[in-house]
Amino acid sequence: DTVLTQSPALAVSPGERVSISCRASEGVNSYMHWYQQKPGQQPKLLIYKASNLASGVPARFSGSGSGTDFTLTIDPVEADDTATYFCQQSWNDLMYTFGAGTKLELK
Amino acid sequence: QVTLKESGPGILQPSQTLSLTCSFSGFSLSTYGMCVGWIRQSSGKGLEWLANIWWNDDKYYNPSLKNRLTISKDTSNNQAFLKITNMDTADTATYYCARRLGAGWFAYWGQGTLVTVSS
Repeated sequence: DTVLTQSPALAVSPGERVSISCRASEGVNSYMHWYQQKPGQQPKLLIYKASNLASGVPARFSGSGSGTDFTLTIDPVEADDTATYFCQQSWNDLMYTFGAGTKLELK
Repeated sequence: QVTLKESGPGILQPSQTLSLTCSFSGFSLSTYGMCVGWIRQSSGKGLEWLANIWWNDDKYYNPSLKNRLTISKDTSNNQAFLKITNMDTADTATYYCARRLGAGWFAYWGQGTLVTVSS
């Protein structure tokens, strides 16, 4: 299985820029997607295929990367962005995997 | 507008079979290219993809759970189903259904249904 590794947690101040990383154990081309999940809610798609903004998602969110290293950037961070962020790969269409999530807290 | 909603038993005992239903609107699983997946989330294992079913009835399963999973659909009633046999306490989780798009991302998710396995 392709293992996706994320940092467990980050803390930033409103108005700052934050980068959340996701590293794949093997290359996944650009087949990496990002989700935001707030407590008690289902995941929400933010970015698909590494860098494409999902419909209705603010332009403060952006994604980059290819191969094994990917980044979700929020700039500027707002109070409402407090959430857990997950990456997911679909390079292997027979076995999707998710990262363990990065919990973003605002100072 | 695409919506999905999961339903399940809430609680069941170890060794029982879990039956989940995903009722959706805004698309048809008989339309070319459509696909619905099941994903679960537990505190212990995070998000785990379980299975996908396609408009043409192709089915794909997580290899680690394949011998316990059965995914199916009822296109007339806009529903998808997942059965998991021999449930264990480790299967306690929130189960989501979601519509897969493009190259494998899940653009629309249901609200999830919590399933607790306990004796």
